Amino acid sequence: KAGVTQTPRYLIKTRGQQVTLSCSPISGHRSVSWYQQTPGQGLQFLFEYFSETQRNKGNFPGRFSGRQFSNSRSEMNVSTLELGDSALYLCASSQATGRQETQYFGPGTRLLVL
Amino acid sequence: AQKITQTQPGMFVQEKEAVTLDCTYDTSDPSYGLFWYKQPSSGEMIFLIYQGSYDQQNATEGRYSLNFQKARKSANLVISASQLGDSAMYFCAMREGLGGGSNYKLTFGKGTLLTVNP
Repeated sequence: KAGVTQTPRYLIKTRGQQVTLSCSPISGHRSVSWYQQTPGQGLQFLFEYFSETQRNKGNFPGRFSGRQFSNSRSEMNVSTLELGDSALYLCASSQATGRQETQYFGPGTRLLVL
Repeated sequence: AQKITQTQPGMFVQEKEAVTLDCTYDTSDPSYGLFWYKQPSSGEMIFLIYQGSYDQQNATEGRYSLNFQKARKSANLVISASQLGDSAMYFCAMREGLGGGSNYKLTFGKGTLLTVNP
């Protein structure tokens, strides 16, 4: 099985711009979660999508949004970028089967806002 | 209150020795899962091991084992026979809820930076 893929891997934007990040989960996984990782705040949950529905959302401003498509691929969008949005954005592909659960992460997208 | 606490910001271990990374958690949900991840300097988050709250036996995956002490709310990671390639940041994480019926949100600790010395 192919792993979790994220595109692009690196991105440089300027303040005020918007950005869209993409995540393709493991085949058969219906859940995709997004996280922001910064040196100061650590790993913070953004939102989770399951079968095209947002099931949970973290404490982030409305500039952060996401969606999931029928093939389970997910996108997250950040509008009106701020310097503080510079971070590593990770997505996780998840599945629970019986007593086992797997949550695999993609390689991440490094966003730099200038 | 912090839900996941990793009290060791940094740890050093000699190659081929075993090392234990500490993790305590806090939840009132009887159903939860505990995860450990490794994050090398490349940034990728690598899944290591999983333990469900109702699992009677400690989870093991190769050189990794999870020392699950439910009453103490601790889920320490034990790495046996450390290798130079084990040098990385290690994160403990918890998901409240089990199965596919509830969201998969993970709450992470702040991490422990492990350095393996030759």
